[in-house]
Amino acid sequence: SAVISQKPSRDICQRGTSLTIQCQVDSQVTMMFWYRQQPGQSLTLIATANQGSEATYESGFVIDKFPISRPNLTFSTLTVSNMSPEDSSIYLCSVRGTGREQYFGPGTRLTVT
Amino acid sequence: GQQVMQIPQYQHVQEGEDFTTYCNSSTTLSNIQWYKQRPGGHPVFLIQLVKSGEVKKQKRLTFQFGEAKKNSSLHITATQTTDVGTYFCAGLRGYSTLTFGKGTMLLVSP
Repeated sequence: SAVISQKPSRDICQRGTSLTIQCQVDSQVTMMFWYRQQPGQSLTLIATANQGSEATYESGFVIDKFPISRPNLTFSTLTVSNMSPEDSSIYLCSVRGTGREQYFGPGTRLTVT
Repeated sequence: GQQVMQIPQYQHVQEGEDFTTYCNSSTTLSNIQWYKQRPGGHPVFLIQLVKSGEVKKQKRLTFQFGEAKKNSSLHITATQTTDVGTYFCAGLRGYSTLTFGKGTMLLVSP
């Protein structure tokens, strides 16, 4: 299994500002995934980030709102731009294991006021 | 698109009682995965089922994959307070992305 860390673990932000979330993995991985989990809800995939190429966004998520960087095989960032209270959520990064299972980071709990 | 339905949304049991959550996909799956999320925690992978009709056990937990590879269940025998959390199933079609069910929140009273 992979060990994943995320920064920050939580933040309270003003509407209209942006927050960049960092995800670090202890091994090299081809694909990294970013999920959103709203309070008491399921996990919704935002995008898949491959090293060396543009991220692939799921329906309902756009690059202008959630730009992603993937500079190397162990690191990725997700930015939540021009935030509104509806962006209050837990943001999780994950990686795929050898058997296609997923390992999740501890999450970033974002509150937008 | 692919949908994964999970029931019940919530269940409250007394310690020692059994618990079952059911998962249903609108399409045939290549595999189904189960995750547990403790309150305040992140989802943790429990198991993956690949074969039609497959049954796997982990101590008090029994996982089944339906013959048509469209449904699955997780059964916990004699629940303990440590079983508290939300259990998610997630379906994989081919090598595409996982689709998570809405989860079943389990509360166990001592």
